[in-house]
Formats: sequence, C-alpha cells, structure tokens
Amino acid sequence: SQKIEQNSEALNIQEGKTATLTCNYTNYSPAYLQWYRQDPGRGPVFLLLIRENEKEKRKERLKVTFDTTLKQSLFHITASQPADSATYLCALEGGAGSYQLTFGKGTKLSVIP
Amino acid sequence: NAGVTQTPKFQVLKTGQSMTLQCAQDMNHNSMYWYRQDPGMGLRLIYYSASEGTTDKGEVPNGYNVSRLNKREFSLRLESAAPSQTSVYFCASTQGDPWDGYTFGSGTRLTVV
Repeated sequence: SQKIEQNSEALNIQEGKTATLTCNYTNYSPAYLQWYRQDPGRGPVFLLLIRENEKEKRKERLKVTFDTTLKQSLFHITASQPADSATYLCALEGGAGSYQLTFGKGTKLSVIP
Repeated sequence: NAGVTQTPKFQVLKTGQSMTLQCAQDMNHNSMYWYRQDPGMGLRLIYYSASEGTTDKGEVPNGYNVSRLNKREFSLRLESAAPSQTSVYFCASTQGDPWDGYTFGSGTRLTVV
C-alpha cells in the first residue's frame, strides 16, 4: 500500500532563514501532490499543488519541488517569519481519478524570532 | 462566503450514544469528505462522496455511516459511540477537478467517555 513520510515531526529554525520540509512516498506514482498548512485548532488550508510533470512551483515565499524519480517533494519557505509557524501537511492523490487525498502526518514548524 | 461549516464544534458522548455530525458547503463543490485526525496518526479518510448521490468508504469506515443529503450537505453518523472514536473530525469539499485543493471546515472535537 502507498506510504507517505514527512521526515520530521518538528523543525525549529531562526527567523529569516529558509525552512525546508520533506515529503517522501513509496509504492506509488501520484499524478500530483499538494501541501497544506494547519494551525492549532483549525482545519488544514490548501497552499500549493504540483503535478508530476512539473519540477518546481512557486507562490510568493513558498517553493515546492517534485522529484518522481526520488519519490520526494521538498517544501521551502524563504525568509521565514514567526507567522509561518504551523504544521505543514503533504498529501497525495489516490490515483485512478479517485479524487481522494492521502495525507502525511505533518511537520510542525516553529520559526524562532 | 462561509466555505465549509461543521456543527457542532465540540461534543461529549457517553459510550453507546449516537450522534450526527453535520457539514455544509456553499461553494457548489461536487465532492465531499470526512476525515478524522488523531495525534500521531495524521488525517485518515472515513467516507467520501465523489458527487451527489454517491458515497464510498475510505480508510477507516467501521462504526460510521454517511448521508449525502444534497449537493451542499454531507453528514456523518456514529450509531453507537466508542471511546476509540474520540477524535477531531474534519469535513472537506472540492470541486472534483484533481487540480483543486480541498477546503476544510474548522472541525468537530468529539470525546467519548
């Protein structure tokens, strides 16, 4: 069965640095991958989607890469700010047009002033 | 726009009691989903409805039933609550285009004692 791993449960970085979060998957070849942000007590919020034929996608200070050979996506936040502190989830589509998403367990990012 | 509205926000049940979690979206989305989120387990799909009139099981359907009442509403029912169903429940919706992200509600925190 497909397996998604976000390599760190928690990541602490200093304000202004670039945060890099990793999402690895096995036994699967998704057509696309999504990233979400979740704040405590709130539902996840969609950030970015990257397709299998796209190597990189950018949105403001966010950058996502997708390496289908390594079966890995990297999520970067440049010039990080304390307001970026949250849990970030990666999610893979379920395949065969199912429109289901399977989520990783998330990485809790803390940006220290 | 309200987006996805879940009710109630909090609920305490006794073992064996039943209840229905309500979810409504005002974005004219085709697909709706119920997830549960537990510490260390991430988001797990309970049931989903790809379109009005259809429902399908997800990863953890046991102990739950769903009803897609109309295009806007998708309810989740616990017939006989068990302590293992203590969790935070999220409803989500999407247009159904694979390139769309999900919109999540703010969640229902359920405790079964």
